[in-house]
Amino acid sequence: EPEVTQTPSHQVTQMGQEVILRCVPISNHLYFYWYRQILGQKVEFLVSFYNNEISEKSEIFDDQFSVERPDGSNFTLKIRSTKLEDSAMYFCASSEFGAYNEQFFGPGTRLTVL
Amino acid sequence: QKEVEQDPGPLSVPEGAIVSLNCTYSNSAFQYFMWYRQYSRKGPELLMYTYSSGNKEDGRFTAQVDKSSKYISLFIRDSQPSDSATYLCAMSRETSGSRLTFGEGTQLTVNP
Repeated sequence: EPEVTQTPSHQVTQMGQEVILRCVPISNHLYFYWYRQILGQKVEFLVSFYNNEISEKSEIFDDQFSVERPDGSNFTLKIRSTKLEDSAMYFCASSEFGAYNEQFFGPGTRLTVL
Repeated sequence: QKEVEQDPGPLSVPEGAIVSLNCTYSNSAFQYFMWYRQYSRKGPELLMYTYSSGNKEDGRFTAQVDKSSKYISLFIRDSQPSDSATYLCAMSRETSGSRLTFGEGTQLTVNP
């Protein structure tokens, strides 16, 4: 069964450093998303992406964040200058173009900012 | 007021019990409703989705949506220890491409 994959599974970085989180969405899906989950808190939406541009973003997704689809399979989230409060699980998700909004999630990347 | 409210539990039941999980929401624009299961430090796994009001059944799982009360439920029949996980409700206003708004999740333990 097709699935969303994410790399790395765990990323440790120093405050102020740039990180890039990578995702390979399900191949025939056209909508891509990033969510994050701070330990013990709920899953929060960051951004959605369609047709090579951002279609929606939350108030969390400020100028420190950017997304890109560099090729036909990968979807990336870049955090330019990490802060301690960016430590969280980051989930990529994708969905088909269709009647329902079923989003399929990857296993996540655990980001630890020291 | 939170857009989506979910009792975090924890909920502990014996094997074979019927489990009822619930969420309430405040935004009447929500049209699409989903239930996800999440094991510790893993990604959410889609279990059920429904559109607007009504019931949907899939094996041991039944999802119900009551838009007039802004209330959704997930029932698990004949619960198994492997059902032990955190259950997340999620909902969106629009179809494809719309953000999901999640509840906080209910932690369920099914005891053998």
